[in-house]
Amino acid sequence: GAVVSQHPSWVICKSGTSVKIECRSLDFQATTMFWYRQFPKQSLMLMATSNEGSKATYEQGVEKDKFLINHASLTLSTLTVTSAHPEDSSFYICSATGSPSQTGELFFGEGSRLTVL
Amino acid sequence: AQSVTQPDIHITVSEGASLELRCNYSYGATPYLFWYVQSPGQGLQLLLKYFSGDTLVQGIKGFEAEFKRSQSSFNLRKPSVHWSDAAEYFCAVASSGGGADGLTFGKGTHLIIQP
Repeated sequence: GAVVSQHPSWVICKSGTSVKIECRSLDFQATTMFWYRQFPKQSLMLMATSNEGSKATYEQGVEKDKFLINHASLTLSTLTVTSAHPEDSSFYICSATGSPSQTGELFFGEGSRLTVL
Repeated sequence: AQSVTQPDIHITVSEGASLELRCNYSYGATPYLFWYVQSPGQGLQLLLKYFSGDTLVQGIKGFEAEFKRSQSSFNLRKPSVHWSDAAEYFCAVASSGGGADGLTFGKGTHLIIQP
């Protein structure tokens, strides 16, 4: 099946710094990518949807200036957590769908665990 | 708006016993339904999905799920669990098959396997 890879798989940073997480589709063109956030022992919450070449669409309550999403190519989307604070510590997961037709399935990355000190 | 309810936060099952994880959804039209499994600290793996047709769908690792429109349910089953099945299980619904609008997840059910 299609492969989606995230990097880094874990990152620790100081409060106030910015962190970039990459999401790559390795063997297909991801026309749409999704970013989810998962708090410990909780479900995945959709943060935003990004289409290649367009601005991301953010879910209600998600600060677009805080979580910058770029989907500049059909195989790469990035999430940048700007001026990170401890409350931003979480597990961030991306997923992708696209062409060739992957009807019926979103492919998920392995997740990136962010810890802000 | 669509929503998913997984009534059981935790379930404990003995190894070799059968398993059923419950999932109820709320959606106005025909839903696209999924079950994912997540091992600790890892991403999600698709177990199975339902779009249309046969309401009993077979997935990987010996799992199956049955779509019951009258009950708005999509329960996951396995006849005999293995210790390696211990994980978090998420039911999800999408408004389109390709997931172009993203998925709405339930809160998950944590499966514990007793020896």
